[in-house]
Amino acid sequence: GAVVSQHPSRVICKSGTSVKIECRSLDFQATTMFWYRQFPKQSLMLMATSNEGSKATYEQGVEKDKFLINHASLTLSTLTVTSAHPEDSSFYICSARDSGGLAGRTDTQYFGPGTRLTVL
Amino acid sequence: AQSVTQLDSHVSVSEGTPVLLRCNYSSSYSPSLFWYVQHPNKGLQLLLKYTSAATLVKGINGFEAEFKKSETSFHLTKPSAHMSDAAEYFCVVSQGGYQKVTFGTGTKLQVIP
Repeated sequence: GAVVSQHPSRVICKSGTSVKIECRSLDFQATTMFWYRQFPKQSLMLMATSNEGSKATYEQGVEKDKFLINHASLTLSTLTVTSAHPEDSSFYICSARDSGGLAGRTDTQYFGPGTRLTVL
Repeated sequence: AQSVTQLDSHVSVSEGTPVLLRCNYSSSYSPSLFWYVQHPNKGLQLLLKYTSAATLVKGINGFEAEFKKSETSFHLTKPSAHMSDAAEYFCVVSQGGYQKVTFGTGTKLQVIP
């Protein structure tokens, strides 16, 4: 149980284009999902908290107009990198928190496998 | 406020020898603590977690960790390292419930044949 998928796993795009990354909780509902960015050999940096049915909460320094987040259902959140540039190249990882109320699950984040974005 | 410190950025052990990855935390409230493992170009997999139950927590793949409040530590151990254990390990703290988590900087474990 507690499986999170991400699609695509890898994407290469030209500078100036937009890229959408999907994060799905496959066997549980998640009112809250998180988007992280990870640079090579570094830890995860929280970008934003995605809340089902409401606006995302962005961390300081993260441009909300550049990184659009939509959490339209209890199992799906999307991150769209708009007008991507080479400096946006990174490993993007989502996580989901089980909101189903099972004991011992609600405080745990379950991570997707990540999406490697390369902007040429 | 909460923070987590992973004391070693790299740990190298021989196959079959014990593993110790150190983690210290600070938290204003009773924390939840987690260890995750990340293999290259992969997402994070939950190894184990502490959420105010037993202080000695057993996880997957033979790993365990002990919560020591007096030392504010949550070190990860394994009696005998396997080649497949080579990966990056992250210690994570949360103040429980629906709070955000804080990641340590990670420890890269190298296992020498």
